Amino acid sequence: DARVTQTPRHKVTEMGQEVTMRCQPILGHNTVFWYRQTMMQGLELLAYFRNRAPLDDSGMPKDRFSAEMPDATLATLKIQPSEPRDSAVYFCASGTFGTGNTIYFGEGSWLTVV
Amino acid sequence: SQQGEEDPQALSIQEGENATMNCSYKTSINNLQWYRQNSGRGLVHLILIRSNEREKHSGRLRVTLDTSKKSSSLLITASRAADTASYFCATDGSGNYGQNFVFGPGTRLSVLP
Repeated sequence: DARVTQTPRHKVTEMGQEVTMRCQPILGHNTVFWYRQTMMQGLELLAYFRNRAPLDDSGMPKDRFSAEMPDATLATLKIQPSEPRDSAVYFCASGTFGTGNTIYFGEGSWLTVV
Repeated sequence: SQQGEEDPQALSIQEGENATMNCSYKTSINNLQWYRQNSGRGLVHLILIRSNEREKHSGRLRVTLDTSKKSSSLLITASRAADTASYFCATDGSGNYGQNFVFGPGTRLSVLP
């Protein structure tokens, strides 16, 4: 089964450290999303890419977050420096948009910043 | 601002009963989708309904869409304990088709054995 793969699955880091989360979208998908999920805010769209180009990153705190797609098989989300309020589950999802395509989620990266 | 809003926030029923969850949204859409999330896992797609459709079925799932009221409902019939999960609706905005997927806060469903 094709699936979205995210690493790391779990990460505990100290405040101020850099955190990089990686995502391998499903082969052939041209759109990649990054979401953050917390109990308080629910699922927030941070950024998404189409054909590796960033289309919208307005949901992302620009001062510390950055998202890139170095190639079609890798998307990265970086936090530098990390803060305790960044503790959340970060989901990557991918899809191919035509008429009514769905998006497929990875299992998430569980981040705890202490 | 969130596009979809699920209602109720939490729902607890007995096994065998039907569960109904609602979703309201604010702007015009191309389609609306329902997803399910088991605790500690990613979201899994359940069903999609296009803006020109009114009802759709998939197994024990029935989805309706009322674009005049900007609302959708998800019905799970003959619920099972394994249906315990959070359910989210996601809207795909019209205009720039497929620009983004915006999720509501979800409904937490508990099915008691």
